[in-house]
Amino acid sequence: NAGVMQNPRHLVRRRGQEARLRCSPMKGHSHVYWYRQLPEEGLKFMVYLQKENIIDESGMPKERFSAEFPKEGPSILRIQQVVRGDSAAYFCASSPQRAAFDEQFFGPGTRLTVL
Amino acid sequence: QKEVEQDPGPLSVPEGAIVSLNCTYSNSAFQYFMWYRQYSRKGPELLMYTYSSGNKEDGRFTAQVDKSSKYISLFIRDSQPSDSATYLCAINAGGTSYGKLTFGQGTILTVHP
Repeated sequence: NAGVMQNPRHLVRRRGQEARLRCSPMKGHSHVYWYRQLPEEGLKFMVYLQKENIIDESGMPKERFSAEFPKEGPSILRIQQVVRGDSAAYFCASSPQRAAFDEQFFGPGTRLTVL
Repeated sequence: QKEVEQDPGPLSVPEGAIVSLNCTYSNSAFQYFMWYRQYSRKGPELLMYTYSSGNKEDGRFTAQVDKSSKYISLFIRDSQPSDSATYLCAINAGGTSYGKLTFGQGTILTVHP
């Protein structure tokens, strides 16, 4: 059973370009979470999605960032007009269902570098 | 004030030592407490979680929660070089904030032979 898959693993963009990060949850998981890890900092929650729905986007910057989890296909985190401050590791996690506690399984991350 | 505070270390110990990792938190609404381990260039993996105050053991690992002091700890007995990693505490409030884990900064641990 494959784990959470993220691609690309490394992404280099120039300032002003768009970055698209993909996340395929574990088989049978319908809940996806995105986190960002800046250098020397812990992981920061960005957004929580279920299929075709955004459940909690309280950690998402108001501008340039968007996320989706369509009925078919992977979840996408999209960053428009990237700036140097967007350089970070972006981790996706998934869980099977909503419960009192549900372990979030993390992918290997996408490391975004903005030149 | 950060919601979760964790000493980033780094922490360096000899093989076989007992390691103590700690976090404090400010929001009394937090209900679920977790420890994740993250190896370099990898995603975090869940080590332990607990819901209530008290101790929980799993092999060489013991998680401790004191809700009255808003303090959580992870103890590693007989530490091994393979335990060298970054350890992150994570807390969840449940309810409407169900999906949101709030992480500490992470403590970098090195166990040398």
